[in-house]
Amino acid sequence: DTGVSQNPRHKITKRGQNVTFRCDPISEHNRLYWYRQTLGQGPEFLTYFQNEAQLEKSRLLSDRFSAERPKGSFSTLEIQRTEQGDSAMYLCASSPVQNRGHWNTEAFFGQGTRLTVV
Amino acid sequence: GDSVTQMEGPVTLSEEAFLTINCTYTATGYPSLFWYVQYPGEGLQLLLKATKADDKGSNKGFEATYRKETTSFHLEKGSVQVSDSAVYFCALSEAGTASKLTFGTGTRLQVTL
Repeated sequence: DTGVSQNPRHKITKRGQNVTFRCDPISEHNRLYWYRQTLGQGPEFLTYFQNEAQLEKSRLLSDRFSAERPKGSFSTLEIQRTEQGDSAMYLCASSPVQNRGHWNTEAFFGQGTRLTVV
Repeated sequence: GDSVTQMEGPVTLSEEAFLTINCTYTATGYPSLFWYVQYPGEGLQLLLKATKADDKGSNKGFEATYRKETTSFHLEKGSVQVSDSAVYFCALSEAGTASKLTFGTGTRLQVTL
């Protein structure tokens, strides 16, 4: 399978604990995005990388959240001191910057990591 | 900021019925518009897209036309199948970039025999 891979698929943690999620994008995709999706809502943008550079962060990304993409390949999203409000599906997507000279290429999504904070 | 508004679901249809899911947007400039679909237990998949006014995106019998004058991108299918049961998300991205997507809240479609 050469799609976007996310691990773990499910994570249950106690409030106050730290958690880390991993995303492996499609090989050679320059851009990697993190989104959060709560029940009954659409995905909300958190942050994105172009290669190893983090180019934009949403206001939703509080100081307890940090994302890295150290070698421009896989990415990690860490949440420190988790709160019940962090319970959500965390989605990763990747895309090339351009495809045959065209912008707005397709973003390919992983299946997500479902976080439950108890 | 940019936003997308979708009709609320769930939408329940009999097989072979006509489907319309409304989507309107608010954005500066000329965004690109997308429909993504999420089948049960699977990740989001791009269904179709349109990058400029009057473009029609189509795939798997689904169609949507980019209407600048009404800021809409309604999804239609002439004859739905049980296998079309899924959640459908309308989304936009800033024109001329490979930037982030802004999604609507999603519309669940249930097709019955």
